[in-house]
Amino acid sequence: DAGVIQSPRHEVTEMGQEVTLRCKPISGHNSLFWYRQTMMRGLELLIYFNNNVPIDDSGMPEDRFSAKMPNASFSTLKIQPSEPRDSAVYFCASRSGGAGNEQFFGPGTRLTVL
Amino acid sequence: QKEVEQNSGPLSVPEGAIASLNCTYSDRVSQSFFWYRQYSGKSPELIMSIYSNGDKEDGRFTAQLNKASQYVSLLIRDSQPSDSATYLCAVNVYGNNNDMRFGAGTRLTVKP
Repeated sequence: DAGVIQSPRHEVTEMGQEVTLRCKPISGHNSLFWYRQTMMRGLELLIYFNNNVPIDDSGMPEDRFSAKMPNASFSTLKIQPSEPRDSAVYFCASRSGGAGNEQFFGPGTRLTVL
Repeated sequence: QKEVEQNSGPLSVPEGAIASLNCTYSDRVSQSFFWYRQYSGKSPELIMSIYSNGDKEDGRFTAQLNKASQYVSLLIRDSQPSDSATYLCAVNVYGNNNDMRFGAGTRLTVKP
């Protein structure tokens, strides 16, 4: 298995632009998570999906952030419009069902908003 | 109080020594506990999981859990320079296997 796949790996954009981050979870995993990591705030859960349905988006910082999971093998995290304070590493992770199963992380997307 | 707390470090130990990493959590109903290792510029990777009180050993790593004290720790024996990384404690909260909260991480440096 290729593991969790994220694209792009690096994104540099200007303030006000739309940014779309993509994630392909591990095949067979039914939960998908989006995290943001910064030096100041550490690793924060933004939103997670169970069986393609958003379950908890309380970690999404603002309405500028949105996430979708149109099918079991693809999810997007969109920021529109982007701001410099959105600069961070965004990780996608997936997990199979069952108690205690670990989350597997993708390589992350390093976003820089100028 | 933060849900998961760790000493941010940095923690520095000589090669061959035991490194001890500590974590406390606030949710009494938490049942699943994880230690992730994150190398600089890389993603977190799981190194240990523990669900029951007591010790769990895997090679040079031992996880210790005390639910009464809401405390979980990671011991690394015979520390190697390659163990130098940030170690993240993660806890499932509110009885939800999908709601995992991470500590800020402890940065460990093992000096040759």
